[in-house]
Amino acid sequence: QKEVEQDPGPLSVPEGAIVSLNCTYSNSAFQYFMWYRQYSRKGPELLMYTYSSGNKEDGRFTAQVDKSSKYISLFIRDSQPSDSATYLCAMSVGGANNLFFGTGTRLTVIP
Amino acid sequence: GAVVSQHPSRVICKSGTSVKIECRSLDFQATTMFWYRQFPKQSLMLMATSNEGSKATYEQGVEKDKFLINHASLTLSTLTVTSAHPEDSSFYICSAGQAHEKLLFGSGTQLSVL
Repeated sequence: QKEVEQDPGPLSVPEGAIVSLNCTYSNSAFQYFMWYRQYSRKGPELLMYTYSSGNKEDGRFTAQVDKSSKYISLFIRDSQPSDSATYLCAMSVGGANNLFFGTGTRLTVIP
Repeated sequence: GAVVSQHPSRVICKSGTSVKIECRSLDFQATTMFWYRQFPKQSLMLMATSNEGSKATYEQGVEKDKFLINHASLTLSTLTVTSAHPEDSSFYICSAGQAHEKLLFGSGTQLSVL
């Protein structure tokens, strides 16, 4: 079983839709949860960072962590064509040198 | 602002040759840098942790004699793929930072070995 599971998609939505991206994990010791956006053939860009459980909101993006279910989500409101990218979840027990990434979900927002 | 710069962005080489990839931290110093490899439709996998002034720490299964890492200054780490073979073809990404929320990634290097 992989440490982190993420549906690779692809996921296509119309402009303005609410997008829900999810990851599940198996290691209950994970404490740090991140979402990255990666454009084709570019390095990942940090979108959201959450420590332990709870919600975090930043503009159109909301990250949720449910440690009891070992499940994290990223919601994108009012999606835009510029949101089209691959979204990676990542998590760790502690320390930036021990990040476990999901495979990424490829999102396309259709104008 | 702080940026991680990675070069080259793309390299094509013949089998058996060596390739060097550079990772620089701009506007900040990085005592630690990380090297990842990403195969198509797969996760980023940590290859090694590069430590300034000391030996790199390699993840299990990564050949340290094949993937040479040098972190000679606080702003530069290099990854050299020695005697590259087609199976080494991949997307290599470096990152640097002191904490999770400040971990910055380079733009990646697509290596194609013919």
